Amino acid sequence: DQQVKQNSPSLSVQEGRISILNCDYTNSMFDYFLWYKKYPAEGPTFLISISSIKDKNEDGRFTVFLNKSAKHLSLHIVPSQPGDSAVYFCAASGWYSGAGSYQLTFGKGTKLSVIP
Amino acid sequence: EPEVTQTPSHQVTQMGQEVILRCVPISNHLYFYWYRQILGQKVEFLVSFYNNEISEKSEIFDDQFSVERPDGSNFTLKIRSTKLEDSAMYFCASSEGDRLNTEAFFGQGTRLTVV
Repeated sequence: DQQVKQNSPSLSVQEGRISILNCDYTNSMFDYFLWYKKYPAEGPTFLISISSIKDKNEDGRFTVFLNKSAKHLSLHIVPSQPGDSAVYFCAASGWYSGAGSYQLTFGKGTKLSVIP
Repeated sequence: EPEVTQTPSHQVTQMGQEVILRCVPISNHLYFYWYRQILGQKVEFLVSFYNNEISEKSEIFDDQFSVERPDGSNFTLKIRSTKLEDSAMYFCASSEGDRLNTEAFFGQGTRLTVV
């Protein structure tokens, strides 16, 4: 049961253009969403997050949009740079049991290739 | 910049053997986690740990798995009797808090190969 879905396994974008990575979720208990970037042989690195009370969060070249009614979020990278080439994971968390844990549910990832 | 460190980077073990994966979380963090990623699949939650006890665990985290914080700095994952399907990248993570505005910082991972 995929609660967090990234339906595009890969994406290629020309340098300088916009990259749009999409993510859908099914669990309405999720209330905090994050994007992680992962290079080969490294662990996931936090990129940007958004709370469910917002619909947009911006940090430099990275903007995350949240559409709660559609249970959809997207990450926009503008302008895309070759160094952005990595696997991007969408992750979500929610108050599962009141136990005070921060369990992240990850999507399968989208491999972004930015072509110079 | 503070970081989560994991050792070893690669561990090869025979099926049925015990392995211990080690992690040093970021020093002022209070919440600790283990995740794993089987090759080609998504990153999966295993367990979270707070105040010297497990706060949450997934179905994957069965009786073969255990976690421990033996001293003030290390956080370990033990697999008692490894199976072939335990082969994966294991990521340790830590966070300052458990909820909003705190993100988990991940280590670089330990690649476990069970032969």
